[in-house]
Amino acid sequence: AQSVTQLGSHVSVSEGALVLLRCNYSSSVPPYLFWYVQYPNQGLQLLLKYTSAATLVKGINGFEAEFKKSETSFHLTKPSAHMSDAAEYFCAVSESGANSKLTFGKGITLSVRP
Amino acid sequence: SQTIHQWPATLVQPVGSPLSLECTVEGTSNPNLYWYRQAAGRGLQLLFYSVGIGQISSEVPQNLSASRPQDRQFILSSKKLLLSDSGFYLCAWTSISGANVLTFGAGSRLTVL
Repeated sequence: AQSVTQLGSHVSVSEGALVLLRCNYSSSVPPYLFWYVQYPNQGLQLLLKYTSAATLVKGINGFEAEFKKSETSFHLTKPSAHMSDAAEYFCAVSESGANSKLTFGKGITLSVRP
Repeated sequence: SQTIHQWPATLVQPVGSPLSLECTVEGTSNPNLYWYRQAAGRGLQLLFYSVGIGQISSEVPQNLSASRPQDRQFILSSKKLLLSDSGFYLCAWTSISGANVLTFGAGSRLTVL
């Protein structure tokens, strides 16, 4: 069984500040890991994914995440927050290999202060 | 390119009424299809998934059902809605050969009164 933990429900940063959203996973097999973003009243959009290639993954909108097996973590970062980054962010895990279902964390809301 | 459509976008229904939410995918064949429900502060809950026509797996016991009458069509239904069925419903698909990347529809917001 797999699980994802996203501690806290809300993070607030100033515009231009570093964004750090934490994600820890549990998996008994090598995982695939994902970050999704959701804007209000919209579906989820893939930000980036880790599928056992490079451990530092770059995604859209300047976000990146690093897979750290020893820490079972996949934290999402962005060097400089923009007002348009305000949204809800979900971390997800699946088993490696095709046709494995994703398990999502509870999500975390990012607010960006002017 | 592939696209996914969900409708209706918004629905207000009385308790005890039926429900039908539809989802269609274009530009691909034999996708894996999913229905998720999102409730505030609870993340995404997988309700149903389907790997082919007529093949439905249910993840949680509930008042809802799903059907897949065609390869790229996925329908979420209920005969009698409960207050607890209110939420944001998301349809999603993956390619059978992809890296499990889910592509989501825009969602359907259901309010049961």
